[in-house]
Amino acid sequence: EAQVTQNPRYLITVTGKKLTVTCSQNMNHEYMSWYRQDPGLGLRQIYYSMNVEVTDKGDVPEGYKVSRKEKRNFPLILESPSPNQTSLYFCASSPYSGTSYEQYFGPGTRLTVT
Amino acid sequence: GQSLEQPSEVTAVEGAIVQINCTYQTSGFYGLSWYQQHDGGAPTFLSYNALDGLEETGRFSSFLSRSDSYGYLLLQELQMKDSASYFCAGHDDKIIFGKGTRLHILP
Repeated sequence: EAQVTQNPRYLITVTGKKLTVTCSQNMNHEYMSWYRQDPGLGLRQIYYSMNVEVTDKGDVPEGYKVSRKEKRNFPLILESPSPNQTSLYFCASSPYSGTSYEQYFGPGTRLTVT
Repeated sequence: GQSLEQPSEVTAVEGAIVQINCTYQTSGFYGLSWYQQHDGGAPTFLSYNALDGLEETGRFSSFLSRSDSYGYLLLQELQMKDSASYFCAGHDDKIIFGKGTRLHILP
């Protein structure tokens, strides 16, 4: 089944404790992206990757890191989480070429930083 | 900066037609897409407009006018299951989402 998977789905952590949210897709998509969603603010892009070893900042990259060592994986790293990073996070992938710019979203990771 | 504006809420009656508008303030977008999100779920893709004009997919249609920096999503024959939030998104290498429109459907 074609899908984007994220782990964990729920995470409660404390300020300053490094964490990684994994994202994996099995559709051989070139483009991957991370978003955060907060009430009333819609989806905001954190980082995106056009291909392996190519990453770039979205609208809200501060406090986050990403890497794209393999096409299928795009982990999101919070080196020192703070309470303002409490949010719902979505990973997405897309062919992003030709006529197909459809993004496929993972199920989301709800993060609480206390 | 780049931004997309859409109404925060729209209410319509089951069986009717509703249009959700999206205006944007950037010259860089090469396409506009629409997503649906039900409460507690992930966004799901509805449509993408790379060219000016109307794209139709079943009960949903989407329109883009680059000269007016404007697009809309048209939902026909509304069903109760269409109650959800709808997001427009502008594309260049980045993707910028609007803040979403909550669609309420009355029986």
